[in-house]
Amino acid sequence: DAGVIQSPRHEVTEMGQEVTLRCKPISGHDYLFWYRQTMMRGLELLIYFNNNVPIDDSGMPEDRFSAKMPNASFSTLKIQPSEPRDSAVYFCASSLAGGGGETQYFGPGTRLLVL
Amino acid sequence: AQSVAQPEDQVNVAEGNPLTVKCTYSVSGNPYLFWYVQYPNRGLQFLLKYITGDNLVKGSYGFEAEFNKSQTSFHLKKPSALVSDSALYFCAVRGDTGRRALTFGSGTRLQVQP
Repeated sequence: DAGVIQSPRHEVTEMGQEVTLRCKPISGHDYLFWYRQTMMRGLELLIYFNNNVPIDDSGMPEDRFSAKMPNASFSTLKIQPSEPRDSAVYFCASSLAGGGGETQYFGPGTRLLVL
Repeated sequence: AQSVAQPEDQVNVAEGNPLTVKCTYSVSGNPYLFWYVQYPNRGLQFLLKYITGDNLVKGSYGFEAEFNKSQTSFHLKKPSALVSDSALYFCAVRGDTGRRALTFGSGTRLQVQP
C-alpha cells in the first residue's frame, strides 16, 4: 500500500493567494483527518470526515479555510486568501473504523510558507 | 475536554541505556492512547497503542509503553537506546466516546548520544 499521499510536499506562496492542499487516503479507509503543525501550537486538528461527510470542523481557524471530500479517495484543504500566519506543516491522516481504537496513518505533510 | 502532557521538551540518553519518555493524559471515559514518532521533514509514524487489556503494550522498533490508569500515564520505554532512535516523539489520546480526532502532546525530542 502506498500509504497516505499528499501534494504538494512544499508550497511557497504570497499573501493573498489561494492555496490548495491535496490528500489521497489509504484505500478502504473511512475516516480522513486534516491536522496542522506549528512550533507555537503543536499538532492540532482542523477537520475530519467520515465516509466523505465532515463530522467536526471546530478546529478550522476561520472562514478562509475550507475542506472538501468529494469522494472516498480524495480530499482538499483550501486557504483563500492565505496569510503569513498560515505557514505550517499540514498533515492528512486516514483510518479505518474498528471499534474506536483504530490507528490513524499520516501522510508526509505539506510544508506551506506564505510570504 | 481531553489533553496530553509531555513534561520534557528533550530527553538525552546514551546509546545502550534504557530510555523513558513521559506522558500523562486527561480524557472523559476510557482512553485510547497512542505513541507516534516523527523524523525530520517526515510525517508521523505509528509506534504503538493501548486500547484495552494488558497494561504493557509492545510496539515497533523495540519500543513499549506502560498504561497506568491510577496515574493517568502512558510512558514510552525502550530497554536499550539506539542513535537511530533520535527523533521527536508524540503521545496522543482520545476517549472511547464521541470525537474520533486525536489530541496530541507537545512532543519530546529524544537525543541518543553515541
